Amino acid sequence: DTGVSQNPRHKITKRGQNVTFRCDPISEHNRLYWYRQTLGQGPEFLTYFQNEAQLEKSRLLSDRFSAERPKGSFSTLEIQRTEQGDSAMYLCASSLVTGGYQDYGYTFGSGTRLTVV
Amino acid sequence: DQQVKQNSPSLSVQEGRISILNCDYTNSMFDYFLWYKKYPAEGPTFLISISSIKDKNEDGRFTVFLNKSAKHLSLHIVPSQPGDSAVYFCAAIGGDSGAGSYQLTFGKGTKLSVIP
Repeated sequence: DTGVSQNPRHKITKRGQNVTFRCDPISEHNRLYWYRQTLGQGPEFLTYFQNEAQLEKSRLLSDRFSAERPKGSFSTLEIQRTEQGDSAMYLCASSLVTGGYQDYGYTFGSGTRLTVV
Repeated sequence: DQQVKQNSPSLSVQEGRISILNCDYTNSMFDYFLWYKKYPAEGPTFLISISSIKDKNEDGRFTVFLNKSAKHLSLHIVPSQPGDSAVYFCAAIGGDSGAGSYQLTFGKGTKLSVIP
């Protein structure tokens, strides 16, 4: 297992276009998280999945954002009608949470840097 | 409202000396704290953590101290090495932070530069 993989690493798009990012978590991890990091800030929580169920969304996730995790494996994050304010690093992380164990030290991917021009 | 605060944007330390990175939090419901290290163009990497029932956790050159009454934690790196140069994020879990109390709330980070 090579860790959490995110594609693409970089994406430049024109304002108003739709973009989709992909995240492949560590295979045995059942939780998957999306975070966003803007310049000079720490990562901010967007949403998370427990297996295929999306259990929470942040208020940062406007209706232009949608995330899916079909079959509880990889996840996609789509942004529709991109705006310049969407320019950021989008980070995916995964962890294992069971009835008797929880891994707080999430494993992050290298992120997808989005630039909206 | 910044619930996790890292008030020093940057820190420079000579190689071999101690690096001390500080973090303050405001939410008394946080019950687990973590430090992450981030190199440019990479995602954050988990470094060390501490539960609120402890006041110290040590892992090799890295020690995290927690002062619950002051809502303050610190990361000590001894001795500092040039490879430690990175951005360090303090993060907290718990309380009403959502995500089944597994949501990480991050500070803004401190850029550590270790000078050879």
